[in-house]
Amino acid sequence: TQLLEQSPQFLSIQEGENLTVYCNSSSVFSSLQWYRQEPGEGPVLLVTVVTGGEVKKLKRLTFQFGDARKDSSLHITAAQPGDTGLYLCAGAEGGSEKLVFGKGTKLTVNP
Amino acid sequence: GAVVSQHPSWVICKSGTSVKIECRSLDFQATTMFWYRQFPKQSLMLMATSNEGSKATYEQGVEKDKFLINHASLTLSTLTVTSAHPEDSSFYICSAQKLDRHTQYFGPGTRLTVL
Repeated sequence: TQLLEQSPQFLSIQEGENLTVYCNSSSVFSSLQWYRQEPGEGPVLLVTVVTGGEVKKLKRLTFQFGDARKDSSLHITAAQPGDTGLYLCAGAEGGSEKLVFGKGTKLTVNP
Repeated sequence: GAVVSQHPSWVICKSGTSVKIECRSLDFQATTMFWYRQFPKQSLMLMATSNEGSKATYEQGVEKDKFLINHASLTLSTLTVTSAHPEDSSFYICSAQKLDRHTQYFGPGTRLTVL
């Protein structure tokens, strides 16, 4: 069974600070997705990365897929209270439709 | 866009009754849909993979007779929790996969409470 280790599990920061969330595995993924989930709602897709070394930017969010496609990071610049939520990484093994989810990072950005 | 809806958004039922949850892909066709369960403060746990026109594939430990899945069309999958008990109370979330097979789009979830 594949495992995606996501860290940190909890993060509480002040508005304006930068942060990075990590997602690591010993397995190779054909693609990796990052989602954000609000309480009582379903996860909302932020980005999909498929190429080793790929970097994608979404406003203040920067996503990177490791060269070996075993790890990924999410970096948020100048965090805002609206960034508060549960961030989930999920990887798809080559040939499989199923996603393996990390345990999530609960981010709180205080005003 | 890729919009997935779920109905109902929440349901309260008595122990022993059955509850059906619908998952629809509104603006795309999904040959594969997935059903997850999420407990408070935990990540998503895959229950089953649903393919249009064929039987669902259940994850280890998930009772197929308890959680009936039907995927009759390319835009609709249903999950029926049969003879529900309080321990079945949870947040159930479906997702639908586009043809590129890389990304799953999630529904808003259904909160089930069994009394």
